[in-house]
Amino acid sequence: NAGVMQNPRHLVRRRGQEARLRCSPMKGHSHVYWYRQLPEEGLKFMVYLQKENIIDESGMPKERFSAEFPKEGPSILRIQQVVRGDSAAYFCASSPPSTVAYEQYFGPGTRLTVT
Amino acid sequence: KQEVTQIPAALSVPEGENLVLNCSFTDSAIYNLQWFRQDPGKGLTSLLLIQSSQREQTSGRLNASLDKSSGRSTLYIAASQPGDSATYLCAARSSGGYNKLIFGAGTRLAVHP
Repeated sequence: NAGVMQNPRHLVRRRGQEARLRCSPMKGHSHVYWYRQLPEEGLKFMVYLQKENIIDESGMPKERFSAEFPKEGPSILRIQQVVRGDSAAYFCASSPPSTVAYEQYFGPGTRLTVT
Repeated sequence: KQEVTQIPAALSVPEGENLVLNCSFTDSAIYNLQWFRQDPGKGLTSLLLIQSSQREQTSGRLNASLDKSSGRSTLYIAASQPGDSATYLCAARSSGGYNKLIFGAGTRLAVHP
């Protein structure tokens, strides 16, 4: 059973470009979470999605950031018009549809560098 | 609002030492607490998860405790090895928002031979 997969692992964008980060959850998992880790900081929650629904986006910046988890295919975190402050590691986690522990399984992350 | 703090921020010890990493949280209404390991440039590996009804969990040389009343958790590593060198993160899941993990900034551990 493959773990959570994220691609690309490294992404370089110039200021003003768009960044698209992909996350494929573990098989059988229908809940996806995105977190951001700025340099020398802990991970910060961004958004929680289920298939075709955004459940909690309380950690998402109000502008330029969006996320989706379509019925088919991976979850996408999209950052429009990137700025240097968006440089960070973005982690995706997934969990099964029903679990007492709500344990989340993390992917290897996408490291975004904005030049 | 839940906040998680970890001390120390960095720790360097000789191989073989027993050590304790500390994690404190401000809201005692947690659902559970999870300890992770993060290697440089890598993702997170879950080490231990403690439910709010539990006092501790053990896995091999690792033991994690939870004291909700004082807002503290500790991760005890016995007989440390160079391979234990990594950043250790604790994350709390609040009862009012158990869909999200609130992370501390981590403790960077270096175990030297």
